Amino acid sequence: DIVMTQSPDSLAVSLGERATINCKSSQSVFYRSDNKDYLAWYQQKPGQVPKLLIYWASTREPGVPDRFSGSGSGTDFTLTISSLQAEDVAVYYCQQYYSSPLTFGGGTKVEIK
Amino acid sequence: EEQLVESGGGLVKPGGSLRLSCATSGFTFSSYNMNWVRQAPGKGLEWVSSISISSSYIYYADSVKGRFTISRDNARSSLYLQMNSLRAEDTALYFCTRSPPGYCTSTSCRNWFDSWGQGTLVTVSS
Repeated sequence: DIVMTQSPDSLAVSLGERATINCKSSQSVFYRSDNKDYLAWYQQKPGQVPKLLIYWASTREPGVPDRFSGSGSGTDFTLTISSLQAEDVAVYYCQQYYSSPLTFGGGTKVEIK
Repeated sequence: EEQLVESGGGLVKPGGSLRLSCATSGFTFSSYNMNWVRQAPGKGLEWVSSISISSSYIYYADSVKGRFTISRDNARSSLYLQMNSLRAEDTALYFCTRSPPGYCTSTSCRNWFDSWGQGTLVTVSS
């Protein structure tokens, strides 16, 4: 199984500042035949359902604000919120879909400092 | 706008059974792979099972294999999860999720989840 490890577990960022969340996979999720990283990011606000933010490691889902961006390849990935807004308080999860079983990271809680 | 509405959750004793349903609308159900994902109270997300468009490919997490059965009815735009031999550790909010087509093969369903239902709570306790 591919283990997904997120860091930090939580972080507090001032409004308007950058938030950076890391996700590391225990093996590469890059598929050479289509040159894609099989990695997605989700946002779960308090009391709400998870929402897809990014797939293919860096493709933003339609309607997601452009302050959210994904980067990285292979085993190391980053979700960046360029200018944190109050509505971004949430737990963020990465997920690999390279192989079964599909696995999620443990989540990173983002709060306002 | 797509809608996914789960039902069928509840309180059940260890060893008991439940059947979850997910009624969908607002999209062409028969064109999407579907999945169940669960979240134990206060915990993270765990993939449970995936089913391809025509039910040709089905996959389960090891934790539920042999106890849970996923199925779909494209004519009714509905997804199901039959859960048998339930354990305390199956207690969770169960989400029905949608995945884009084209990524289920004989080895795996390479699914990300682009739409989620509100979830149905399953509690396994004596």
